[in-house]
Amino acid sequence: DQQVKQNSPSLSVQEGRISILNCDYTNSMFDYFLWYKKYPAEGPTFLISISSIKDKNEDGRFTVFLNKSAKHLSLHIVPSQPGDSAVYFCAASSGNTGKLIFGQGTTLQVKP
Amino acid sequence: DGGITQSPKYLFRKEGQNVTLSCEQNLNHDAMYWYRQDPGQGLRLIYYSQIVNDFQKGDIAEGYSVSREKKESFPLTVTSAQKNPTAFYLCATRQGARETQYFGPGTRLLVL
Repeated sequence: DQQVKQNSPSLSVQEGRISILNCDYTNSMFDYFLWYKKYPAEGPTFLISISSIKDKNEDGRFTVFLNKSAKHLSLHIVPSQPGDSAVYFCAASSGNTGKLIFGQGTTLQVKP
Repeated sequence: DGGITQSPKYLFRKEGQNVTLSCEQNLNHDAMYWYRQDPGQGLRLIYYSQIVNDFQKGDIAEGYSVSREKKESFPLTVTSAQKNPTAFYLCATRQGARETQYFGPGTRLLVL
């Protein structure tokens, strides 16, 4: 049972445009959500997070939106840059163990 | 230079052999985690430890063992009971009650 789903395996956007990556979850007990960026053969790098008490968090070019009623979150990257090309994972957690449940990832390609 | 170190970068295992993956951190973080990534999939939790001398099974602990004798170190042993060990293994740490996990560079395990 996949509790965190990223239904789009890949996304291609033009440099300078907006990239929107989506993530859905099924467990209503999740109270913290994170986005990670990963290059091949490297560890994931933390990008941005959001607590369930908020519906938006912004950090530079990255904004995460949370819609709790729809159990959906999205990551917006504006403007997209070729260096943003990577695999993006969303992750969710509940409680204080820090256990993260990851989605399958979305490969973003930003074309110059 | 603070961070998370994983060694080796590549590891080869023969049939019936146990191998140990190293994870060391000098971030003074309390919690440490081991994840496994398979191609086209997200990260899955193997084991985690929130404090020295204590650890818990994650979602896919069968065929693996860990120890946490020191705060800085959380080695993972892939035993011969793990029938499909070929994967990319990632170690992560978390500071206190904060949710964000930080990942090491990973170890790729291959079976000969």
